[in-house]
Amino acid sequence: GAVVSQHPSWVICKSGTSVKIECRSLDFQATTMFWYRQFPKQSLMLMATSNEGSKATYEQGVEKDKFLINHASLTLSTLTVTSAHPEDSSFYICSAYARGNGYTFGSGTRLTVV
Amino acid sequence: QQQVKQSPQSLIVQKGGISIINCAYENTAFDYFPWYQQFPGKGPALLIAIRPDVSEKKEGRFTISFNKSAKQFSLHIMDSQPGDSATYFCAASSGNQGGKLIFGQGTELSVKP
Repeated sequence: GAVVSQHPSWVICKSGTSVKIECRSLDFQATTMFWYRQFPKQSLMLMATSNEGSKATYEQGVEKDKFLINHASLTLSTLTVTSAHPEDSSFYICSAYARGNGYTFGSGTRLTVV
Repeated sequence: QQQVKQSPQSLIVQKGGISIINCAYENTAFDYFPWYQQFPGKGPALLIAIRPDVSEKKEGRFTISFNKSAKQFSLHIMDSQPGDSATYFCAASSGNQGGKLIFGQGTELSVKP
């Protein structure tokens, strides 16, 4: 079956630093990648949608300069949280879409900013 | 229009019982309705999905019932087991186009032995 690898699974960083999260489709090419954010006991909130080679489309209220998304190839997308602050601490999840596979989710990244 | 409303927020079921979770949507452009299971600290995993051209789909102990006119769909878990204890999310999208997958609020299911 389709597999999406997301790394790291957890990261702790100091306030003011940047963190990069990688999402890779291992055995298929994803036409679209999605990034979600999930707070404890809450649902997944879509942050942005990206297509290979084009700029990401951000949801209302999501700061595009803080959450940089790069979709360099059909198998790789990255989310960089710039100048992270404690309020950015959350669970970040990527999803890769391909016709025929549907939506495949990564295992998530727990970000803690101290 | 983009919302998917899910209920109940939490559910406690005895082992062997039936767990039922309901969802409602507004956007008639949605054409793909999946259900996901999520364990703590993990990403959501697809359980079962349905498209609006069928009213029911069954896979093992999991069944989706779909009511297009009412814009509602539900997940039934038959013979619920303690291992089914997790959070369940319904979602909807215009899947053929790879559109945004919009999630319901989630239901925390606890199956008591």
